[in-house]
Amino acid sequence: QIQLQQSGPGLVKPSQTLSLTCVVSGDSVSSDAAAWNWVRQSPSGGLEWLGRTYVRSKWYQDYAPSMKGRITISADVANHQISLELKSVTPNDTGVYYCARDNSGWFGWFDLWGQGTPIIVSS
Amino acid sequence: AVRITQSPSSLCASIGDRVSITCRASHSLGSYLAWYQQKSGEAPKLLIFGASTLHIGVPSRFNATKSGTDFTLTISFLQSEDIGTYYCHQYYNEPYTFGQGTKLEIK
Repeated sequence: QIQLQQSGPGLVKPSQTLSLTCVVSGDSVSSDAAAWNWVRQSPSGGLEWLGRTYVRSKWYQDYAPSMKGRITISADVANHQISLELKSVTPNDTGVYYCARDNSGWFGWFDLWGQGTPIIVSS
Repeated sequence: AVRITQSPSSLCASIGDRVSITCRASHSLGSYLAWYQQKSGEAPKLLIFGASTLHIGVPSRFNATKSGTDFTLTISFLQSEDIGTYYCHQYYNEPYTFGQGTKLEIK
């Protein structure tokens, strides 16, 4: 059974860096049919795509313009995990963060999601 | 970015009813739209991709259609387990965007 298991700090202080991991079991993060995404959900419920990483001969990353300059998404193949780093967080970064797999073979829908990591940005 | 307007924001219906949720896109998306169901405290779950293709294991009472830039999710014969919030998601181009969500409750 394929699973995405997330972990993270829960509480982050303003101006610090948020780091989250997503361990993939039952699938390979280096699959050339998959893309690994991060999506967050605000306290009011809105979903926002943050970015993704994927390998097609080499690793690529695509980021939402609203996140560029602050976000890094990377893959650790040996440890079967995907990571998100978000720098200089503010209270606006509070929400639930999800990793999600796109296994469409190109760039498409998200067929598998992690359980979510609630993050509060507060001093 | 593609804007999606989802309606209604909430819906209350009875068991056995037929309900519909609509997403209207600001640009043509082709068929690059998915629908998700999210239950309280859980991650979203894929229902539909390609505007109208049911994901594996999704009950056949879920149906989705496309007309131009309007996309509609219909649940026939509403069941109690269908309560939750429904979101559409366009993957036509980046940044991917989502509808605002429709909260479905049972009367």
